[in-house]
Amino acid sequence: EDQVTQSPEALRLQEGESSSLNCSYTVSGLRGLFWYRQDPGKGPEFLFTLYSAGEEKEKERLKATLTKKESFLHITAPKPEDSATYLCAVQAFSGSEKLVFGKGTKLTVNP
Amino acid sequence: GAGVSQTPSNKVTEKGKYVELRCDPISGHTALYWYRQSLGQGPEFLIYFQGTGAADDSGLPNDRFFAVRPEGSVSTLKIQRTERGDSAVYLCASSYGTSGTNEQFFGPGTRLTVL
Repeated sequence: EDQVTQSPEALRLQEGESSSLNCSYTVSGLRGLFWYRQDPGKGPEFLFTLYSAGEEKEKERLKATLTKKESFLHITAPKPEDSATYLCAVQAFSGSEKLVFGKGTKLTVNP
Repeated sequence: GAGVSQTPSNKVTEKGKYVELRCDPISGHTALYWYRQSLGQGPEFLIYFQGTGAADDSGLPNDRFFAVRPEGSVSTLKIQRTERGDSAVYLCASSYGTSGTNEQFFGPGTRLTVL
């Protein structure tokens, strides 16, 4: 069974304090690993897709990396507006296009 | 262009009632997905459509849940004999499916409360 575990569950940072969020996964053939951002009361907002180990993608203060067992979302010099829940999901080469999500990491960036 | 839209944004119903939740996908997206999200949890897959047909309905929790997409665009999730445990946010997403990049784009969700 495909599984995604995210850590930590919650993270508090001061503005400008860089850190990383972890997403560990087990999947029967990884088709893609997805990162989403979710603000309270809203649907998940797509950030990145990673397809193979060693791949990296960047967007503003965020950088996502992928190994064969886990993915990291690095946040450099965060700002209060980066506060949100960050969700990780995997999609397998199983014939189904469903995403299997972790529980998310709630990030709070204090000014 | 317009994103995924869902109606209603909130639905309050009584135990045992029937509800319908609607999803309008992004124009041109052939795949449509339904997920359910409980407080403090990640979205949980329910069903997905490729065109008009349900390609995978393995996430539907029981036969009270049913979804249709008759013309390959708008989809309706139907829940019969609602129970308090059905209370959650129901999310819809769409993508180009197997015909293109497989990023799924989500709507704002419908918050269902069963009293």
